[in-house]
Amino acid sequence: SYVLTQPPSVSVAPGQTARITCGGNNIGSKSVHWYQQKPGQAPVLVVYDDSDRPSGIPERFSGSNSGNTATLTISRVEAGDEADYYCQVWDSSSDHYVFGTGTKVTVL
Amino acid sequence: QVQLVESGGGVVQPGGSLRLSCAASGFTFSSYGMHWVRQAPGKGLEWVAFIRYDGSNKYYADSVKGRFTISRDNSKNTLYLQMNSLRAEDTAVYYCAKSVHDYGDFFDYWGQGTLVTVSS
Repeated sequence: SYVLTQPPSVSVAPGQTARITCGGNNIGSKSVHWYQQKPGQAPVLVVYDDSDRPSGIPERFSGSNSGNTATLTISRVEAGDEADYYCQVWDSSSDHYVFGTGTKVTVL
Repeated sequence: QVQLVESGGGVVQPGGSLRLSCAASGFTFSSYGMHWVRQAPGKGLEWVAFIRYDGSNKYYADSVKGRFTISRDNSKNTLYLQMNSLRAEDTAVYYCAKSVHDYGDFFDYWGQGTLVTVSS
């Protein structure tokens, strides 16, 4: 089955840039989607189709995808960005939806 | 606005059964695929099952295949998850989530979840 690997944690100072990676075999050939989940809340879509943002999501959130790594970038990080982030793809070979292992972003 | 409200969670003994419901509103329910996604305490997200807009096709994670059944009633705008032969490892918050279209894409709206605890 298809596996997506994320770093367990990323720490960043306010105003700096956080980069969260999502590794998978030839992930560049798939569409990658990213979700933010704050404690006790449901996930929220922040980036879809590699780099598009839903309405209401700040421009500070951006995404890229190439080769074996997709990346979610959060620019000018704010305290309110502290959350868990998950990448997700659809694996057409198995008809399964796959989530990454998740990354906890801590704002110092 | 889109609303998804799960219900039916609770405590059940190993080997028991439970049926979850998800009441949808604010969109044309019969036009979209729907999912169940779960999250064990302190763990990450795990996709559980998907059903196409008309119920014609259903897909399951290997961990629940043969034990769980996803279904929908488009006349009632409601999604279901029948869970049988429950195990301790099925303990989780179960979310229903809407597909942005139907098949092979992503989740644009989520419910707040319902907790299922499998314990003797």
